[in-house]
Amino acid sequence: AQSVTQLDSQVPVFEEAPVELRCNYSSSVSVYLFWYVQYPNQGLQLLLKYLSGSTLVKGINGFEAEFNKSQTSFHLRKPSVHISDTAEYFCAVQGAGSYQLTFGKGTKLSVIP
Amino acid sequence: GAVVSQHPSWVICKSGTSVKIECRSLDFQATTMFWYRQFPKQSLMLMATSNEGSKATYEQGVEKDKFLINHASLTLSTLTVTSAHPEDSSFYICSARDRRLPLGELFFGEGSRLTVL
Repeated sequence: AQSVTQLDSQVPVFEEAPVELRCNYSSSVSVYLFWYVQYPNQGLQLLLKYLSGSTLVKGINGFEAEFNKSQTSFHLRKPSVHISDTAEYFCAVQGAGSYQLTFGKGTKLSVIP
Repeated sequence: GAVVSQHPSWVICKSGTSVKIECRSLDFQATTMFWYRQFPKQSLMLMATSNEGSKATYEQGVEKDKFLINHASLTLSTLTVTSAHPEDSSFYICSARDRRLPLGELFFGEGSRLTVL
């Protein structure tokens, strides 16, 4: 079984400032890792994913994340946020060989003008 | 990219009635679809895994007689909330796996908000 911990439930940040949203996971098997964004009353949109290979993953909208196996982390970063980045962000883990996703509780990013 | 569509986006119903929510993969075949429930300001909770042509697998604590899932074709899964009550009000989201892709990405629908009066 897998579990995901998103350490911050809310992150306020000023526009054009950098941001990091933290995600830690636990699993007894190898995993795939994902970050999704959810805007109000909408479904989830994939930001980026780590399946294998390079531990630094670049996604859409200028986001990137780094897989750190020793620290079991997959933190999401963006060097300069925009107002339009205000949304809920979910980290998710998928055990290798399974298609089920386990989600963290989400981090609400609020960009302040 | 792959598109998953849910219908309806919003539904309001009276207590005791049944509501059907559809999840369609528009440009790919989905052998497996997942149904989630999301309470306000909370994460997604997996309700069940829907496999084309077979019975759905429900997560612990989810009433299969309450939440009927049918996956009759490779592009359509339906969730029927039977005899709905106000506590069933929630945001329901489906996701689908593209059978052509060997690795794990799932594609999500836009969600369906159910309000039971």
